[in-house]
Order: sequence, then C-alpha cells, then structure tokens
Amino acid sequence: GEDVEQSLFLSVREGDSSVINCTYTDSSSTYLYWYKQEPGAGLQLLTYIFSNMDMKQDQRLTVLLNKKDKHLSLRIADTQTGDSAIYFCGDGGSTLGRLYFGRGTQLTVWP
Amino acid sequence: EAGVAQSPRYKIIEKRQSVAFWCNPISGHATLYWYQQILGQGPKLLIQFQNNGVVDDSQLPKDRFSAERLKGVDSTLKIQPAKLEDSAVYLCASRRGNEQYFGPGTRLTVT
Repeated sequence: GEDVEQSLFLSVREGDSSVINCTYTDSSSTYLYWYKQEPGAGLQLLTYIFSNMDMKQDQRLTVLLNKKDKHLSLRIADTQTGDSAIYFCGDGGSTLGRLYFGRGTQLTVWP
Repeated sequence: EAGVAQSPRYKIIEKRQSVAFWCNPISGHATLYWYQQILGQGPKLLIQFQNNGVVDDSQLPKDRFSAERLKGVDSTLKIQPAKLEDSAVYLCASRRGNEQYFGPGTRLTVT
C-alpha cells in the first residue's frame, strides 16, 4: 500500500520559518494534505494541494510539491508558539477516498 | 457549521469487554470514515462509508470490530471483545469534495 514518511521532530525559534518535509510512494496520488494535531484533539485540515500544482500559498503556509521526487513540504512563516503541534502529511491516493498518513512531525517552537 | 461530533471522548474498559463509539458527521457529508490512531503513529483507516453503504472495510478486524451507518448519517463503531492492543484514539471523519474533516476522537484504554 501507499507509504508516507516524515521526520519525527523539528524545533525552531519563535519568529523563524519552519519547514516540514514528507515523502510518499504513490505516483498516481491526486491530492496531498497537511493536517495539524494538538494534544487531545483531532486532526485539523490546514491545506492541501492538487498533484498538477507545484506550489500553493495560504497566508503563513506555503506548500511545495515535487511530483517527480514525490516530495511535499510545508513552510510556516513567522512561526509562533501556538504552532507547536504534530503535523501530518496525508496522501489521498489515486481516488478520492481514504487518506494515508505518515507518523507525523512534532514541531516545537521555542520563545 | 458544526464540526464532526464524537462521543464518548474517553473510555476505559477491561480486556474482553465490549465498547461502542458514536459519530455524527458534518451535515450533508455523504462519506464517513473511521480511523484508528495508535500512540506515536498516524491514523489508519478502519472503514469507509458512502451514505449507508460500506466502500472499504479491508483493514477492519471483522472478528471483533463492527460498524454501521444507519440512514446514512450517524455511525457507530463497536469492539467486542476488546484486546489490549485496541488501546488507541478512534477518529471519525467526514468528507465534502476534496476536504476531509476529523472529529476530536475517542481515546480508548483497554486494561
């Protein structure tokens, strides 16, 4: 089945940019997603990108997609302490159905 | 609009007991999912419904797990009998178009 890999931890200082990376294996994936999970909560949809796009910007969030390398990244500009959470990359596969998730990246923002 | 609702939020049971979780998706969302999230991992799909029909239950341990979606709205997920390895967060999600929204989850502890 589809495999999604993420680095487990990232620490940044408040005000810096954060870049969270993800690789996936399904070359026919149509949509790729980024979700945020805070302690004790469900997954919050942050943004997603269609596979024929290279980049998508949404306020402080920038998603970059390299379809050739099957690499997705999420850049958070001006990272705040409230951005501390686990970030999940989700692969929507070739049909609009289930999502395949990595193990998540724990982002810690230091004041 | 109201988000995906789940109850209970927490449940502690002993192994071999049974337990049921309830989900109310966002109004009008035809597609509903149940995911299992084990500590330190990303969510993994258990079952997907389209209206009141099952689309994908290939990862559901059918000897002990069952799920239904009466009238294509609310859904229940049941485990009987529970095992220690069922300790996890059970997340319900519903989808509109390309966007999948998650509920807060039910944290199950099996002792």
